[in-house]
Amino acid sequence: ETGVTQTPRHLVMGMTNKKSLKCEQHLGHNAMYWYKQSAKKPLELMFVYSLEERVENNSVPSRFSPECPNSSHLFLHLHTLQPEDSALYLCASSQDRSGQPQHFGDGTRLSIL
Amino acid sequence: EDQVTQSPEALRLQEGESSSLNCSYTVSGLRGLFWYRQDPGKGPEFLFTLYSAGEEKEKERLKATLTKKESFLHITAPKPEDSATYLCAVQAGGNTGKLIFGQGTTLQVKP
Repeated sequence: ETGVTQTPRHLVMGMTNKKSLKCEQHLGHNAMYWYKQSAKKPLELMFVYSLEERVENNSVPSRFSPECPNSSHLFLHLHTLQPEDSALYLCASSQDRSGQPQHFGDGTRLSIL
Repeated sequence: EDQVTQSPEALRLQEGESSSLNCSYTVSGLRGLFWYRQDPGKGPEFLFTLYSAGEEKEKERLKATLTKKESFLHITAPKPEDSATYLCAVQAGGNTGKLIFGQGTTLQVKP
């Protein structure tokens, strides 16, 4: 596999469920990101990890919990979500955090019932 | 406040009809300006990075340019397969890697 892979591609969950989104990058990059893309809104950064250390939390509610066990894998743990959390969740990676392009996966389309 | 504004929101072209997309930005200490293409149901695909005013990059029918206040994505003789949403993003000074995106321009090229 090459590039950035996200699973699952689609997820439907109730407000009381707990689920996790997975991202894996095969590019040898050192930084990984979670973004949220809602309809009619620009992509919005959620979290940044560099060498498995969280370096940015963009005021994201605690019902979203990221985890980065190594430089190739990134998870987003979800619990007690709200209907407004329905969106496309995109993972990205880059060589470093200083001006290098970020490469994106195809996202997980999340729907909250 | 760092900000990115793209125009127009939507653009319809006939095949072969050249045009330009605009990305205006205000940012404290530009580390890079990025152009992406996004197809429906897919993640953004990286196209170009521009780092300083006067810089230009080309790829097939696309050419990106940069000034101190804005960037243009010129599309020459577009084809239907160029139809997509084009996203512009900037990375400001500091070292978080945070990208600030515009809302995108949705391009439709009719045969």
